[in-house]
This record gives sequence, structure tokens and C-alpha cells, in this order.
Amino acid sequence: DAGITQSPRYKITETGRQVTLMCHQTWSHSYMFWYRQDLGHGLRLIYYSAAADITDKGEVPDGYVVSRSKTENFPLTLESATRSQTSVYFCASSDHEKLFFGSGTQLSVL
Amino acid sequence: GQQLNQSPQSMFIQEGEDVSMNCTSSSIFNTWLWYKQDPGEGPVLLIALYKAGELTSNGRLTAQFGITRKDSFLNISASIPSDVGIYFCAGQLGSGGGADGLTFGKGTHLIIQP
Repeated sequence: DAGITQSPRYKITETGRQVTLMCHQTWSHSYMFWYRQDLGHGLRLIYYSAAADITDKGEVPDGYVVSRSKTENFPLTLESATRSQTSVYFCASSDHEKLFFGSGTQLSVL
Repeated sequence: GQQLNQSPQSMFIQEGEDVSMNCTSSSIFNTWLWYKQDPGEGPVLLIALYKAGELTSNGRLTAQFGITRKDSFLNISASIPSDVGIYFCAGQLGSGGGADGLTFGKGTHLIIQP
């Protein structure tokens, strides 16, 4: 079934470890996004990508790295996880008008 | 950057009641989007509005793009238990796939009391 999928669904890690969250879409959308959702802050944009090999910072990019070697994949890496990065992470893709979200990854950094 | 003020923050209503929520901004937007998020899931698009004054319905949901282009309203008629969730508004400046100027409100938590 076409759509946008994220993995893992849940992840627990320790401070200082590297973590990669995966995102895959089957619509061939050019644009892809990573958001984090925290109580009191709503959805905040971390990084986005307009096409393969093109990425740009969003509102809260510090501590995160992204890559887009293929149109359909947009992984998000936390190079050295911190407790403040405990959050729910959503990947999204866009057809130039609307955003379509994945089901999210709940990340806990202990 | 732009900020959206979404209100109310939460609503406690009885099943069958009508619901109204809104978003206001100090900036003009060219597109308004309304999303709903069920517990444990990502936001799902409900309604998209593209022109000032536009009124669009999707079943029991009706949304309007304010004339000033700085606000939008979402109404839900005759609420049912599955309407529970968080509703987000989002304003978009351009048409660059959502990359330029898409700003989200902080959400309205809708809770339906039996």
C-alpha cells in the first residue's frame, strides 16, 4: 500500500549514542520533512529536503543530521543523543500543496 | 518567523454538541490547512483552503479561510466519540511543497465526555 512509513515505531536509547530514524515514502514526492512534537511546543520543523541531495535546516536543527541520497528515503540521525531529544518524531512528504505524515517514532533518551 | 495562535487549547464537550476552534496570525497566509491527530498517530489532513473567504466542508466539518487572510475557523457539527483528538491548523505562505512558510498552531485538544 502506498504511503509514508517510519521505523522504528518506538526506540529507547542512552545519552551519547547515535540513533537513526528511518522514513520511506512511495509517492515520489519531491519534498520531505522531519518534525518533532513536544507538549507545549506543537510541531517543530527540524530539517526538510526539496529533492534528492538537497536539504535545509528548519526551526530546531541542532543535534540532528539528515541525508537524502534517494527520493524515497529521508533518514534522521541523532549523532550523540541527549535527554532533550526525547520526543515524538514525525516524517512527512508533500505533493507541493499538502503535507502527509507518517505514524511517528517515539524516542526516549535515558 | 510567523506565529499562529490556536484556540482554545482544549475543549471538553458532550457528545452531540457543535465545536468551534480558530487560528489567528499577525501575518498573511495564502493557504490554510486543518489536520487531526489521533492518539499514537501522525496528523491527517482534513481540509485545505486556498482563497480568502473560502468556505469548505468535509462531512460534519466546515472550515473557512478568513477574509483578512490572517485567520481560519474549523467547526464540527454534532460531535461523536471518534472526533476526539488534537486538531492543528497550519498556515502556508507559498506553494513550494510546504517548505516555505508552513507554520503550525499548537493544537486544540478535543475531549468528548460521555
